[in-house]
Amino acid sequence: KQEVTQIPAALSVPEGENLVLNCSFTDSAIYNLQWFRQDPGKGLTSLLLIQSSQREQTSGRLNASLDKSSGRSTLYIAASQPGDSATYLCAVASGSTLTFGKGTMLLVSP
Amino acid sequence: DTEVTQTPKHLVMGMTNKKSLKCEQHMGHRAMYWYKQKAKKPPELMFVYSYEKLSINESVPSRFSPECPNSSLLNLHLHALQPEDSALYLCASRGGEGPDTQYFGPGTRLTVL
Repeated sequence: KQEVTQIPAALSVPEGENLVLNCSFTDSAIYNLQWFRQDPGKGLTSLLLIQSSQREQTSGRLNASLDKSSGRSTLYIAASQPGDSATYLCAVASGSTLTFGKGTMLLVSP
Repeated sequence: DTEVTQTPKHLVMGMTNKKSLKCEQHMGHRAMYWYKQKAKKPPELMFVYSYEKLSINESVPSRFSPECPNSSLLNLHLHALQPEDSALYLCASRGGEGPDTQYFGPGTRLTVL
């Protein structure tokens, strides 16, 4: 059974810092890995999707990497802003379903 | 249009009520999902519909009854719920047969009194 772990569980940084969120998974037989953002009480917004054959994806200040063989992914956020404060969820796709990590709660203070 | 819509946004119901949650997408996706999310927890998969047929049911209690009337609509019928069923209910859709992004709706915040 796939298990997804996210470290750290919570992170507080001052505005402007670069930061890295970590995600690890136990079964490397995945189709893709997706990073989501969730604001309190809201739905999930897809940030980046990395196919199993890819090593990284970039969108604006976000960069996600995938090392399938070691079961790891990182989400790099450059020049963090208070508006980046949210919970970030990592999810791996096996077949038609997603397995989620518990998320990293990020707080960026002005 | 990459939008999944859900109605209502909020729902308060008693344990004897019958209500329904609605989800709609117009992206031509053929797979649709219901998730349940408790506070500070990740979403938990409840049901998966693929080509309007139920393909995965993660052993959800029968007081939750999904329905997929067509490829754009997904309903979740609720009956005789318990207070512990209070949660955020998320709908998602995914396109095609292969691996692809799941698009999530904003969710319905359900409170069972």
